[in-house]
Amino acid sequence: QVQLQGSGPGLVKPSETLSLTCTVSGGSISTYYWSWIRQPPGKGLECIGYIYYSGSTNYNPSLKSRVTISVDTSKNQFSLRLNSVTAADTAVYYCARLVSGRTGAYNYYHMDVWGKGTTVTVSS
Amino acid sequence: SYELTQPPSVSVSPGQTASITCSGDRLGNKYACWYQQKPGQSPVLVIYQDTKRPSGIPERFSGSNSGNTATLTISGTQALDEADYYCQAWDSNTAVFGGGTKLTVL
Repeated sequence: QVQLQGSGPGLVKPSETLSLTCTVSGGSISTYYWSWIRQPPGKGLECIGYIYYSGSTNYNPSLKSRVTISVDTSKNQFSLRLNSVTAADTAVYYCARLVSGRTGAYNYYHMDVWGKGTTVTVSS
Repeated sequence: SYELTQPPSVSVSPGQTASITCSGDRLGNKYACWYQQKPGQSPVLVIYQDTKRPSGIPERFSGSNSGNTATLTISGTQALDEADYYCQAWDSNTAVFGGGTKLTVL
């Protein structure tokens, strides 16, 4: 079955750029949306944004000015860049497959496969 | 921005029924889903499209959604169900999560 594996530096300096990559195995990255979610220590989940395999993106308005999500279908990978980081960006970063569709009058969206999470600390 | 509200904690005795609520403005007009997260682990989808269970999720997990409230119900709660539970809905092209509920089985 599909598995996701996030990778990237665990320590980033303040004001620098956080870069993470998620590798999709056991299936193709095509035909799905792919998302990044983060969880600060001891806190809840926050959606950062998502990308379709074609490259179209959508970002959380609170992070939009600092976030870029990209996809490389040839490598079955998608990536996250978050610039100008501060201590508030310290979190576990998860990549997840986003399932979407429509039944009746409503659209549905849920994350059905999650990666293990990458802990990122912002500190000098 | 859209908000989902969950109780911070719920306690249940083993074998009893646990109910975790998630409130949001006209939430019943959206689909809700639920994730279980155990310490140090990634979230796991346990309910999607209000009432559906993914393959491998026990039948004791069920969901409902009406009006302003979605509810996750765990029947015959077991010790291994102790975890944090998050509801999620979709609004303005982004996923919105509830603050999470810590389920204690004691």
